[in-house]
Amino acid sequence: NAGVMQNPRHLVRRRGQEARLRCSPMKGHSHVYWYRQLPEEGLKFMVYLQKENIIDESGMPKERFSAEFPKEGPSILRIQQVVRGDSAAYFCASSAESSYNSPLHFGNGTRLTVT
Amino acid sequence: QKEVEQDPGPLSVPEGAIVSLNCTYSNSAFQYFMWYRQYSRKGPELLMYTYSSGNKEDGRFTAQVDKSSKYISLFIRDSQPSDSATYLCAMSEPGGYNKLIFGAGTRLAVHP
Repeated sequence: NAGVMQNPRHLVRRRGQEARLRCSPMKGHSHVYWYRQLPEEGLKFMVYLQKENIIDESGMPKERFSAEFPKEGPSILRIQQVVRGDSAAYFCASSAESSYNSPLHFGNGTRLTVT
Repeated sequence: QKEVEQDPGPLSVPEGAIVSLNCTYSNSAFQYFMWYRQYSRKGPELLMYTYSSGNKEDGRFTAQVDKSSKYISLFIRDSQPSDSATYLCAMSEPGGYNKLIFGAGTRLAVHP
């Protein structure tokens, strides 16, 4: 898990503030996925990105959530005007290729708490 | 009905026991099946990966897929306290990338 770096590990925000979660994929990986894990639930797919492109954002809420993976730098998951229901663990994963034969490597997550 | 059902447990077994973990699913299009292990406050790590039906063995771990019953299993032989974790099943359609559908996870405790 150490290969995929996520920061911060813990993030506390008041309702209405913005949350920015960062993910640096494993070296050599250009495919990034974001998943959300609510308490007592499994991980839910949010978005799949390649460098500078959003490939599939079908799991992202339509409002307040956005993601990017720029040419340089980490992938960012941004949540505007956070609400209590956004409290969850957000996991980033990366893979070397887009194929399902290329396994996902997960980071240790960012735990967002909205007060 | 959830696409993937997994008994959340907790499951408590003595060291050395054989552990059986299971998931059922409803989407017959799923072709790729995985088991992840997640320790507390950590990210999931891939344990086993299986394509379509059949068995796959890796050390103390055996994964089975029965597509006709839409049922997958993970067996852990000679369980160790270090196996205490949450086990997540995951699966995907042949869509070309890792858009995984996860079960809720089963918490396993192996006591000495």
